[in-house]
Amino acid sequence: QLVESGGGLVQPGGSLRLSCTASGFTLSSYEMNWVRQAPGKGLEWVSYINSGTTIYYADSVKGRFTISRDDATNSLLLQMDSLRAEDTAVYYCARGWLRSDFWGQGTLVTVSS
Amino acid sequence: EIVLTQSPGTLSLSPGERATLSCRASQSLPTSYLAWYQQKFGQSPRLLIYGASTRATGIPDRFGGSGSGTDFTLTISRLEPEDFAVYYCQQYGSSPPWTFGQGTRVEIK
Repeated sequence: QLVESGGGLVQPGGSLRLSCTASGFTLSSYEMNWVRQAPGKGLEWVSYINSGTTIYYADSVKGRFTISRDDATNSLLLQMDSLRAEDTAVYYCARGWLRSDFWGQGTLVTVSS
Repeated sequence: EIVLTQSPGTLSLSPGERATLSCRASQSLPTSYLAWYQQKFGQSPRLLIYGASTRATGIPDRFGGSGSGTDFTLTISRLEPEDFAVYYCQQYGSSPPWTFGQGTRVEIK
């Protein structure tokens, strides 16, 4: 199971940190992704981290978002800085590459003044 | 960046009918690098098919995937009421971004 938290309302230029806590498996053993979905829109891949040190970002968030893991809490993190209105979305964490077989329920991030 | 184009945008069908959804890639993909997801309203996406044609665990055999290169297809042989949803394809090419198609909505006619 994957449970996201940390979403909320933030002003443009602000920061938020999302967490995705895993249960039933050791998150650090898997490739993990963040995927977002703007209201009424489709899915957009955001970021990836593997069990080692490989990390990728979508161009739309590169330099502003940072993905990481907290092995002590079996969690995936997404530090989001310099937030923009276009970052407003439900953010999902998803396990796996080539096949994302487990998804969290999502956490809503709203960037608005 | 590899662009995935799904068609049609909306498919209006009746329960029991066959649904055929298309996903076309802007560049050729290795077969194993294409997945299909189902998303119902207010829910998280659910993995249906990976490797273009392998059903995920627990997925009924009325769902089938096929295709190679740039053209991929998701087929639902006989629509059940619970199958009316939005379907997305996603590519996992050799380098990111790992893009999704824009989605096909399957609605009740």
